Parts: sequence; structure tokens; C-alpha cells
Amino acid sequence: RKEVEQDPGPFNVPEGATVAFNCTYSNSASQSFFWYRQDCRKEPKLLMSVYSSGNEDGRFTAQLNRASQYISLLIRDSKLSDSATYLCVVNMPPGTYKYIFGTGTRLKVLA
Amino acid sequence: DAGVTQSPTHLIKTRGQHVTLRCSPISGHKSVSWYQQVLGQGPQFIFQYYEKEERGRGNFPDRFSARQFPNYSSELNVNALLLGDSALYLCASGGTDNEKLFFGSGTQLSVL
Repeated sequence: RKEVEQDPGPFNVPEGATVAFNCTYSNSASQSFFWYRQDCRKEPKLLMSVYSSGNEDGRFTAQLNRASQYISLLIRDSKLSDSATYLCVVNMPPGTYKYIFGTGTRLKVLA
Repeated sequence: DAGVTQSPTHLIKTRGQHVTLRCSPISGHKSVSWYQQVLGQGPQFIFQYYEKEERGRGNFPDRFSARQFPNYSSELNVNALLLGDSALYLCASGGTDNEKLFFGSGTQLSVL
């Protein structure tokens, strides 16, 4: 089993749609979780951290389910500019200093 | 404030050669991590350095090595290049104690 797994997509959605991505992780001792956005051939950029209580940033909502070991990202009212690859990132247990990335989920928002 | 800077941006090498990639972290950050990203995959962890010491190592062969300097900048060295080493090499600043990672724009390495 991979340490972090994501559906690679692509997800093709119309403008204005709501889309959700899930990501599962294998190590129950993981403590920090993030979503990054990566545009083609660019560096990953932090989209948002994921907190136990769930958190929202504008049209983006992130949630963590520790019991089932997955995190999710919800994008409401999709814009053309949201088209990108979304990377799930999990910090391995303290002391290992490893951040494990999923393969990413490709999103294409269509006009 | 300057972000994470990497050099060079692009590099073409032939099999068997060696390469050195450079990275300067965000001012005030003492940690540097290196990642390899092959097309279509997520970044793969190579190393993390903090205060000039190696804190973490991924599943990469000994051909890959790195170091961190007193000013917290870092070098990644790859010896005996293989075609499979062709990738985007990303340097990230931060990441200690569950901090967020901030990436440089990367070095695109092509091995012919």
C-alpha cells in the first residue's frame, strides 16, 4: 500500500461546479496534512493546511478524518483558473522529517 | 523578501556525468529539503537538512548526496547520472516541526 494515495483523475468539470478530492494515508501517526496546488511544470504552492476540525479558505474547504485516515478538499464554484494538479501532502511521524506527496489529482475546469 | 532560489533552472547532461544543484532557503529558515519529481508523479523526498545536519533521507541510491552550508544554502550532488535521473529537482525551505514547505521553482535536469 502506498503511503499516500490519490485518484490521479483527470476530473473535468464545468465552471461553477463543486468538486471534491480525497486522499488516503497509511501511517496513523502522521500529524500534519496539507494540500498543494501545482501548475504544469511549475513548483508546488501551498493551498492550505488541513486541521482536525476542518478549515475553510474562501471557496476551498479541507477536512481530516483520522479514524479512516483520509483528507479531503472541496472546491466550490470552480473557476477556469482552478485548473491544476492538486497534491495531497502528509508529514510522517515526528523525527523522520519526511513529507510524503501523493501523485496528485488533475483538475480541468471547462468553460 | 526573496523566496527559495534554485540554480540552474535547466541543465542537460549525458549519462555517467555528475551534476550539482544549488538552493538558497527563505531568509530565516534553517531547513532545506530536496525532492525529485518525475513527469506525472508527485515529488519524491530525497533529503532534509537542518543546521547543516542530515535529518532525513529518502529511498535514493548513494549516488545522491547533499550538504548544507553555514548560511543554510544547500547543494544536491548526483554522480554517475542515469537516464532515469531526468526529472524536476525541487528544493524546499521550512518543514521542520510540522511546518509548511515552500518550494523553489526547481531545476529541470535532462540526462541524454
